[in-house]
Amino acid sequence: TQLLEQSPQFLSIQEGENLTVYCNSSSVFSSLQWYRQEPGEGPVLLVTVVTGGEVKKLKRLTFQFGDARKDSSLHITAAQPGDTGLYLCAGGGYSGAGSYQLTFGKGTKLSVIP
Amino acid sequence: NAGVTQTPKFQVLKTGQSMTLQCAQDMNHEYMSWYRQDPGMGLRLIHYSVGAGITDQGEVPNGYNVSRSTTEDFPLRLLSAAPSQTSVYFCASTPDRRNTGELFFGEGSRLTVL
Repeated sequence: TQLLEQSPQFLSIQEGENLTVYCNSSSVFSSLQWYRQEPGEGPVLLVTVVTGGEVKKLKRLTFQFGDARKDSSLHITAAQPGDTGLYLCAGGGYSGAGSYQLTFGKGTKLSVIP
Repeated sequence: NAGVTQTPKFQVLKTGQSMTLQCAQDMNHEYMSWYRQDPGMGLRLIHYSVGAGITDQGEVPNGYNVSRSTTEDFPLRLLSAAPSQTSVYFCASTPDRRNTGELFFGEGSRLTVL
């Protein structure tokens, strides 16, 4: 079973601060996705990275896939209250049975205080 | 734009009762799946389907049954509910039966088993 460790588990910061969330594994993944989930709703995809060392930017969010495709980070610049939510990383890969599955991390709960 | 629709949104059961969580998608997606989300545990895959008539077990299948008679519908059945099945359940779908793309989630069904 592939495991994904996310850190920190909880993060409370002031509006305007920067932050980084980490997603680490000892396994290699074919792809790495980041989702954001708001209370009472399902997760929504933010980005998919597939190449080792890949960096993608989405406005104030920067996503990086590690060179060895075992880890990823999400950096938010100048956080805003609208960034509040649960951030989930999900690694994609083929299981022993040959099916492609996503393994989710436990999430980082971010609160941005106005 | 309906997307993935789950019903009911909330349900309270007594131990031993049975029920079905409904999931429907109107995007003609081949791949559908059920996850449960528990505090500190992240999203865990229960069952999945790569097309009508085809289902398979995920990480935590015990106590749950599924069927896929049509492309649109993927119901999750609890045959004899147990308190350990108290959770928030999410149905998700993706266009590609290989599940290598974005997962589209429903809004979730919160189940409490007394």
